[in-house]
Amino acid sequence: NAGVTQTPKFRVLKTGQSMTLLCAQDMNHEYMYWYRQDPGMGLRLIHYSVGEGTTAKGEVPDGYNVSRLKKQNFLLGLESAAPSQTSVYFCASRLAGAAKTQYFGPGTRLLVL
Amino acid sequence: GIQVEQSPPDLILQEGANSTLRCNFSDSVNNLQWFHQNPWGQLINLFYIPSGTKQNGRLSATTVATERYSLLYISSSQTTDSGVYFCAVDPGGSYIPTFGRGTSLIVHP
Repeated sequence: NAGVTQTPKFRVLKTGQSMTLLCAQDMNHEYMYWYRQDPGMGLRLIHYSVGEGTTAKGEVPDGYNVSRLKKQNFLLGLESAAPSQTSVYFCASRLAGAAKTQYFGPGTRLLVL
Repeated sequence: GIQVEQSPPDLILQEGANSTLRCNFSDSVNNLQWFHQNPWGQLINLFYIPSGTKQNGRLSATTVATERYSLLYISSSQTTDSGVYFCAVDPGGSYIPTFGRGTSLIVHP
């Protein structure tokens, strides 16, 4: 049971480049989330999904797109990276319904030059 | 949206000391979680505690939902307790956690 995994672990981009971050979970969780963490800001929700084929915007969605074609995968895309998107990105998942624990991946560190 | 405030923002302890971390939230919640982010960045769930008290070894947590706060107690702290502690709440009717900004804890040997 690998839990929640994220690919890649670290990436450097130039301004304007695009990339996709992959999150995978093997716990059959319905809900999946993408957060970004910046110094002193805690975790802020970018996008989330409550099931295969559905996505919704979180607190800071601008500049990002997501897709959930398979239940176990949640992809985060940056179409045209900007230095403001330099951050650590965390994926999380949990079962549907109340009273459920959220499990996090190890994070992806992204530097946009 | 719901506001989540954690205090203190920073805490420095000597090994063996006890500490209390606080999480205040501005509205009713149907879930509350405490997380520990270790110095390598990994986020580990410590407690799911929308109300009442739970204990796990040297750590315990209490949530008083009617007064909109939760407390995390760390007893006999160890250097491995260092890191950032986050509180996350699901507002009533939502399953989208909102995180506080965390308490940064350093435990010196």
